[in-house]
Amino acid sequence: DVIMTQSPDSLAVSLGERATINCKSSQSVLYSSNKMNYLAWYQHKPGQPPKLLIYWASTRESGVPDRFSGSGSGTDFTLTISSLQAEDVAVYYCQQCYTIPWTFGQGTKVEIK
Amino acid sequence: QVQLVESGGGLVKPGGSLRLSCAASGFTFSDYYMSWIRQAPGTGLEWLSYIDSSGSKIYYTDSVKGRFIISRDDAKNSVYLQMNRLRAEDTAVYYCARGEIGNSLNNWGQGTQVTVSS
Repeated sequence: DVIMTQSPDSLAVSLGERATINCKSSQSVLYSSNKMNYLAWYQHKPGQPPKLLIYWASTRESGVPDRFSGSGSGTDFTLTISSLQAEDVAVYYCQQCYTIPWTFGQGTKVEIK
Repeated sequence: QVQLVESGGGLVKPGGSLRLSCAASGFTFSDYYMSWIRQAPGTGLEWLSYIDSSGSKIYYTDSVKGRFIISRDDAKNSVYLQMNRLRAEDTAVYYCARGEIGNSLNNWGQGTQVTVSS
């Protein structure tokens, strides 16, 4: 199985400041035939279902604010929240959807400092 | 709008069975693959199973292979998860989700709680 490791496990950021979450996969999730990384990011708030933010490592899902951005390729990926808002408090997960079984990182809890 | 509604959760004894249902609306269900994902208490998300739009490709994670069965009924716009030989460690909130570009899961249901306890 592909192991997804996120860092840090939690972080506290001041309102309006940048939050950066890293995700590393144990093997490349870059599909050679289409040059796309099969890596997604989700936001999960208590009492709600997870919400897709980013797919293909860097493509923002429709309706997701542009303060959320994804980057990286191969095995190393980053989710950046450029200016943290109060409503961004949540747990964030990366997921590789390159090979079965699809696997998630352990999650990163983002809080307000 | 896209809506997914899970049902069928509840309290069951170890070794027992449950059948979860996920009713879909707001999109052409037969065009999409579907997945089940769960979150056990205090832990992260675990992908469980996938069924493609035709129902011919089905995959499971190892922890449920041989115990859980995914199926779909396009006439009822529904996907199901038959869970057999349940264990305490299967206690979780179970979500169904719709598959999209890049195998991402872009719509999720609200989840249904499954508790396995004697």
